[in-house]
Amino acid sequence: AQSVTQLDSHVSVSEGTPVLLRCNYSSSYSPSLFWYVQHPNKGLQLLLKYTSAATLVKGINGFEAEFKKSETSFHLTKPSAHMSDAAEYFCVVSDGLSGGYNKLIFGAGTRLAVHP
Amino acid sequence: SQTIHQWPATLVQPVGSPLSLECTVEGTSNPNLYWYRQAAGRGLQLLFYSVGIGQISSEVPQNLSASRPQDRQFILSSKKLLLSDSGFYLCAWSPLAGGYNEQFFGPGTRLTVL
Repeated sequence: AQSVTQLDSHVSVSEGTPVLLRCNYSSSYSPSLFWYVQHPNKGLQLLLKYTSAATLVKGINGFEAEFKKSETSFHLTKPSAHMSDAAEYFCVVSDGLSGGYNKLIFGAGTRLAVHP
Repeated sequence: SQTIHQWPATLVQPVGSPLSLECTVEGTSNPNLYWYRQAAGRGLQLLFYSVGIGQISSEVPQNLSASRPQDRQFILSSKKLLLSDSGFYLCAWSPLAGGYNEQFFGPGTRLTVL
């Protein structure tokens, strides 16, 4: 069975400093992985996805993530944090086709705070 | 392009009252549709999914039900709300084609049961 673990429930950075949100996954086969962002009282927005193409995936708003099979990790990074990046971030793994649909397994989320 | 709508945006209901939340998708056909609940301090819980009109599968037993009367319409209902039904309800869609497709989320409905 697939699973995903977000290693930090809260991360706090200063504006202009790098962001690192950590995610480890468990999968019995080559997974598809996603990062979503959720601003307060909003829906989830897809930041980026990995689907067995390039291991370094670039997403929106300057975010990127690197798939490392040997470490079973898919950490999210951004070189320079902006105040508008403050939100909750979810690492997600696809459980593939099951019951006629692709089931997504969500991590518990990491709340990112950005300080001036 | 595809868009997904949910309404209402917020709702305050008394315990024991009925519930109807609506979700519609534009710009695609035969989508898979999903209802999730996000309770305070908890992650996303998949409640229902649908792979076609009238086809509903429930992930967890609960006080809620779902219906899909039209291809791009998904409704979440309850006959009698409980306090524990409070939360943020998210509708999502994904392409019908199976495999490793992401899901696209609506703006959500904040439900408070008093």
